[in-house]
Amino acid sequence: GAGVSQSPSNKVTEKGKDVELRCDPISGHTALYWYRQSLGQGLEFLIYFQGNSAPDKSGLPSDRFSAERTGGSVSTLTIQRTQQEDSAVYLCASSLGLVPYEQYFGPGTRLTVT
Amino acid sequence: KQEVTQIPAALSVPEGENLVLNCSFTDSAIYNLQWFRQDPGKGLTSLLLIQSSQREQTSGRLNASLDKSSGRSTLYIAASQPGDSATYLCAVKEGGNKLVFGAGTILRVKS
Repeated sequence: GAGVSQSPSNKVTEKGKDVELRCDPISGHTALYWYRQSLGQGLEFLIYFQGNSAPDKSGLPSDRFSAERTGGSVSTLTIQRTQQEDSAVYLCASSLGLVPYEQYFGPGTRLTVT
Repeated sequence: KQEVTQIPAALSVPEGENLVLNCSFTDSAIYNLQWFRQDPGKGLTSLLLIQSSQREQTSGRLNASLDKSSGRSTLYIAASQPGDSATYLCAVKEGGNKLVFGAGTILRVKS
């Protein structure tokens, strides 16, 4: 079946603009995760959603970052007033549930803030 | 705070060689450990998942072991091929269900 998909694959934006990144998880997966991969920091957890529970936002680096998941499926990560340090690859993953399930990753969105 | 370390940072081997990648973690209270492969400019491909109660998992030429009490895992690749060239990432799942990743090992298999 189809894997996790993300759009856009690449995004170039000017500093100060808002951006939205989209993730379509694997059908039937109730858990959805966002991670960020940057040169200096490696791969970092940002946020996860599980079913209708409140999301775990503990990894969001600032209040400029937010995410929502509509209808238990598609998720959007929004970055407001982008800064150059937001430049990174944003990866989405989904899994059948929480522990002990395997996470499957999408191809990522490469964000460049100029 | 959980920290995951991968050694070596980079490895270059001739085709056909067997090799071992190492991963260590500081907090043994993990649910599972996952090994991933990442090709340049691509997302992560899951290779093996080891639950905390398991000692090893095998898939084809890959074998991963887990020693939870000592905070170590190894990924063994048998008879390496040029197509195995990639970055290999180790990640542990701990309380909160998030994955904590190591920095990766960049593997190059020369033909």
